Amino acid sequence: DVKVTQSSRYLVKRTGEKVFLECVQDMDHENMFWYRQDPGLGLRLIYFSYDVKMKEKGDIPEGYSVSREKKERFSLILESASTNQTSMYLCASSFKRGQETQYFGPGTRLLVL
Amino acid sequence: SQKIEQNSEALNIQEGKTATLTCNYTNYSPAYLQWYRQDPGRGPVFLLLIRENEKEKRKERLKVTFDTTLKQSLFHITASQPADSATYLCALDLQAGTALIFGKGTTLSVSS
Repeated sequence: DVKVTQSSRYLVKRTGEKVFLECVQDMDHENMFWYRQDPGLGLRLIYFSYDVKMKEKGDIPEGYSVSREKKERFSLILESASTNQTSMYLCASSFKRGQETQYFGPGTRLLVL
Repeated sequence: SQKIEQNSEALNIQEGKTATLTCNYTNYSPAYLQWYRQDPGRGPVFLLLIRENEKEKRKERLKVTFDTTLKQSLFHITASQPADSATYLCALDLQAGTALIFGKGTTLSVSS
């Protein structure tokens, strides 16, 4: 079974802090994704990566950056956390381009005070 | 403009009935369409994938149809059970090297 793990289930941070969310997958998937999910807005794609050291902007990249130094790990960085970044953050991976079935992690619920 | 819509935010049905969820899209040409289940506080879980040249796909009590002329997919759960209560998401797979495009989901509640 594919396993996608996220570093924290719950996180509380203060406005202005730099926040790191880590995601690790154990199935040698090429593709990794970061979403946020808010009530009424559904899943929104922040960034994705089709290979190590590659990244592409999704629909809402502002205020976020990502890092993919190793194939199995994809990090989401909130450079200076703001209250409107309070949300559920979901990481996903898929095998490769053209095989886009996604496997999701359990999510990190982030509260920015 | 491009849109993907799941017709209702919430659907309430009685145990044993068939639940039918709808996914409509405009100005996309998906090669595949996928359905996911999401339980509260958890990540979505893949259920089924249907290709553009397939009319219907089944898996146990689940059935998905895909009509590229109507630009619509229907997701059926037969003999529904309270354990089927969850949010169901459809996703367009354009096979163009882009990420999946998710609908906002329909929350199904099955009462006993």
